[in-house]
Amino acid sequence: GENVEQHPSTLSVQEGDSAVIKCTYSDSASNYFPWYKQELGKRPQLIIDIRSNVGEKKDQRIAVTLNKTAKHFSLHITETQPEDSAVYFCAAPEGNAGNMLTFGGGTRLMVKP
Amino acid sequence: DAGITQSPRHKVTETGTPVTLRCHQTENHRYMYWYRQDPGHGLRLIHYSYGVKDTDKGEVSDGYSVSRSKTEDFLLTLESATSSQTSVYFCAISGGQDSYNEQFFGPGTRLTVL
Repeated sequence: GENVEQHPSTLSVQEGDSAVIKCTYSDSASNYFPWYKQELGKRPQLIIDIRSNVGEKKDQRIAVTLNKTAKHFSLHITETQPEDSAVYFCAAPEGNAGNMLTFGGGTRLMVKP
Repeated sequence: DAGITQSPRHKVTETGTPVTLRCHQTENHRYMYWYRQDPGHGLRLIHYSYGVKDTDKGEVSDGYSVSRSKTEDFLLTLESATSSQTSVYFCAISGGQDSYNEQFFGPGTRLTVL
């Protein structure tokens, strides 16, 4: 099955700085890579996703890059704000079985004002 | 939030008792999932369903069973709860027309087994 590793597990930045979270995956057939944000006590929510036919996707202050050759994808947050503080999860498809996703272990991002 | 609810939202039970958690969706999504979330382990898949009466095991299925008799409902049962099953349980759905791969999560159920 798919194996997804996520780094770092915790990340602390100053407000206004950039944050980068990286994930690697094992199944070269994977073609969909979402990122979820989970605020304390809340449910995970999709913030951005990318498909394997593009190398980068942006949405305001967040962007995701994909390197299919190296089998890794990254989340970039620019001009971080305190409300960006949360746990972020990456995911990759578990083959073609039931639309399943395998999640990374999560990154706790803390943005210091 | 994608028309997905979970009940109960909080439950405290004793070791050895049966527990059933319910996930209900109003989105007519094909796929439904149960995850557990524990510190240091992220989200781990327990069971999933790809249609009515069609279910399969996930990564951490031991001690859990599921049923899906209707498109909108997916039940997770702990036949005999143990303290190791203390966790936050999330239901998720996917397979919508507009965003087929995206998984939408329910609000979660916090289960404590004493």
